[in-house]
Amino acid sequence: ELKVEQNPLFLSMQEGKNYTIYCNYSTTSDRLYWYRQDPGKSLESLFVLLSNGAVKQEGRLMASLDTKARLSTLHITAAVHDLSATYFCAVDPGNQFYFGTGTSLTVIP
Amino acid sequence: DTGVSQDPRHKITKRGQNVTFRCDPISEHNRLYWYRQTLGQGPEFLTYFQNEAQLEKSRLLSDRFSAERPKGSFSTLEIQRTEQGDSAMYLCASSLVLAAYETQYFGPGTRLLVL
Repeated sequence: ELKVEQNPLFLSMQEGKNYTIYCNYSTTSDRLYWYRQDPGKSLESLFVLLSNGAVKQEGRLMASLDTKARLSTLHITAAVHDLSATYFCAVDPGNQFYFGTGTSLTVIP
Repeated sequence: DTGVSQDPRHKITKRGQNVTFRCDPISEHNRLYWYRQTLGQGPEFLTYFQNEAQLEKSRLLSDRFSAERPKGSFSTLEIQRTEQGDSAMYLCASSLVLAAYETQYFGPGTRLLVL
């Protein structure tokens, strides 16, 4: 059974600090996606990573992909309150999307 | 482009009743996905269509669930004889498949509560 695991599940961090969210998956996939979900809202696409070593950055978020290790990271730099949300990674091995359980991020002043 | 829309946004039903949800994708998108999401979990794949053809269906999907996309545009998801365990958020997403990847655009979801 394909598994997508995120770590940590819950993260509380102070404004201005840095942190990394990890996404491990159990199948071969060259495509990995990161999404954001605000409470009560739907999912918003953040990044698409298409190959080993891919790195994408948008504002204070940077995502990377290591297909050999089956690992993606989402790095948060100098967190601000607006980044508080749940972050999901998802892999697409070819027939459907598999989502992780999510990381609930709370940024506190 | 108004994005992906879903109707209704909320549904409360009694156990044993049938419910039907509708999804209108972004107009030029050829793929349409249905997911179920419960509290504290990521979206769980149910099924997807490429145009009007249903190409994949989760093995976990009960035969009480059926989906259609008759003209390759909007889609419906029907749940027959609802059970309390069906209570969840049902998400629809659409995408335009490019050569190397696709980006799914999600609708606001239909929240189902089965009493």
